Amino acid sequence: ETGVTQTPRHLVMGMTNKKSLKCEQHLGHNAMYWYKQSAKKPLELMFVYSLEERVENNSVPSRFSPECPNSSHLFLHLHTLQPEDSALYLCASSQGQGLGNYGYTFGSGTRLTVV
Amino acid sequence: DQQVKQNSPSLSVQEGRISILNCDYTNSMFDYFLWYKKYPAEGPTFLISISSIKDKNEDGRFTVFLNKSAKHLSLHIVPSQPGDSAVYFCAASLIQGAQKLVFGQGTRLTINP
Repeated sequence: ETGVTQTPRHLVMGMTNKKSLKCEQHLGHNAMYWYKQSAKKPLELMFVYSLEERVENNSVPSRFSPECPNSSHLFLHLHTLQPEDSALYLCASSQGQGLGNYGYTFGSGTRLTVV
Repeated sequence: DQQVKQNSPSLSVQEGRISILNCDYTNSMFDYFLWYKKYPAEGPTFLISISSIKDKNEDGRFTVFLNKSAKHLSLHIVPSQPGDSAVYFCAASLIQGAQKLVFGQGTRLTINP
């Protein structure tokens, strides 16, 4: 356990479905992130929340909608996804004003398959 | 434009020998570099880091070297052990609004007994 918990671990959804990914951290961090990992590609930063305010949105399609209700929870709402959105979605947290020595703490990810 | 590149998608090393993983970057504004290790079905975990003011950092079997003039860093693992088999990601820190990490695409290391 890293202190960052993601649920569900696996998700299969149809292109017309609506689902949400959840991330929870118990580390007292004040910044949270969504990353996408596709095969043979770098980890792609999707969203950054610092002190519960979205501070970065890397041109992510609107079919992905993040929500950060408090500093411990982060959601990624999904709707009308495409098969190419199938990937591992990773949540991470950090101390917002500095990475410290360890950078981010990652969750185990949600393996998403869009059919 | 990929700012952090790991040009070797895979590397195979015999147990007990040295593993050398390489990473190149393009942005001279990066001020901190990290290596993460990832096992299947798990998230990346922090391994070792180095500040841009240093050229070497060592932690047990792991040593990271930074060559700022070449914009290159490397991770040395010696001696390599079967448990080191994983995907290794290089990451660089950039302060642009929020501080964020930029990752390479990873290198899959396989340690052969």
